[in-house]
Amino acid sequence: NAGVMQNPRHLVRRRGQEARLRCSPMKGHSHVYWYRQLPEEGLKFMVYLQKENIIDESGMPKERFSAEFPKEGPSILRIQQVVRGDSAAYFCASSATSGGDRNEQFFGPGTRLTVL
Amino acid sequence: DAKTTQPPSMDCAEGRAANLPCNHSTISGNEYVYWYRQIHSQGPQYIIHGLKNNETNEMASLIITEDRKSSTLILPHATLRDTAVYYCIVREATWGKLQFGAGTQVVVTP
Repeated sequence: NAGVMQNPRHLVRRRGQEARLRCSPMKGHSHVYWYRQLPEEGLKFMVYLQKENIIDESGMPKERFSAEFPKEGPSILRIQQVVRGDSAAYFCASSATSGGDRNEQFFGPGTRLTVL
Repeated sequence: DAKTTQPPSMDCAEGRAANLPCNHSTISGNEYVYWYRQIHSQGPQYIIHGLKNNETNEMASLIITEDRKSSTLILPHATLRDTAVYYCIVREATWGKLQFGAGTQVVVTP
C-alpha cells in the first residue's frame, strides 16, 4: 500500500515563475492537507481539501497561492509569481475521514521549493 | 496560539526509556492529545493519540493525567533512529488541521 506521494521532491524556480506541487493521497483517502515549513521554523497548516471542495483555507496566503483536489488526479498546490520567501518544504498529508476517533494524517516526503 | 507547552530539547541514552512531557492546561473535554514526530527533513509521522485513557501501541505509550492538563509520551527503549522533533498537539478529532508548535528536539546518544 503506497503511502502519500509528492512530486517533484525538489523544485527550483526563478522569481516570478509559477510552481506546481502535486500530492497523491494514500489509497482510499479522500482528505488532503497542505503544510509549509520555512527554513528553521515549524510546520504551518495551509489548506484542507476534500474531493472538489476546499474545507479550510485559513492558513493560505491571500495572494498567489491556490489549491485544488479534483475528482480525478492528484491535489495541486499552485504558487504564482514565486518570491524568495516562498522557499520552503511543502508537505502534503492525507486521511481517510474527517471525523471519528481515528483520524491520523499520513504525511508525504515533501517538496523542497527553492526560489532563485 | 499554541495550546501545548513542551521543553525545547532533551537527551536520552540509547536503550533507555525516553519520557517526553507536554502541558495542555486549557484542553477542552472533546479534544484529543496527538503525538507526531519529524525525523530530520522527512514528513511528520503519526505516533499515538488519546482522549482520557492511557494508550499503548507498537511505537510508544501515552500517559494522560486524570485532569487531562498534561501528558507524557514514553518511548520504552530509545534507539538512535528515534532522534527527531516530537510534537504534542491538541485537537478535536472531527477537525482536520494539525497545529504544530515548536516541539521537543530529542537526541538519542549511544
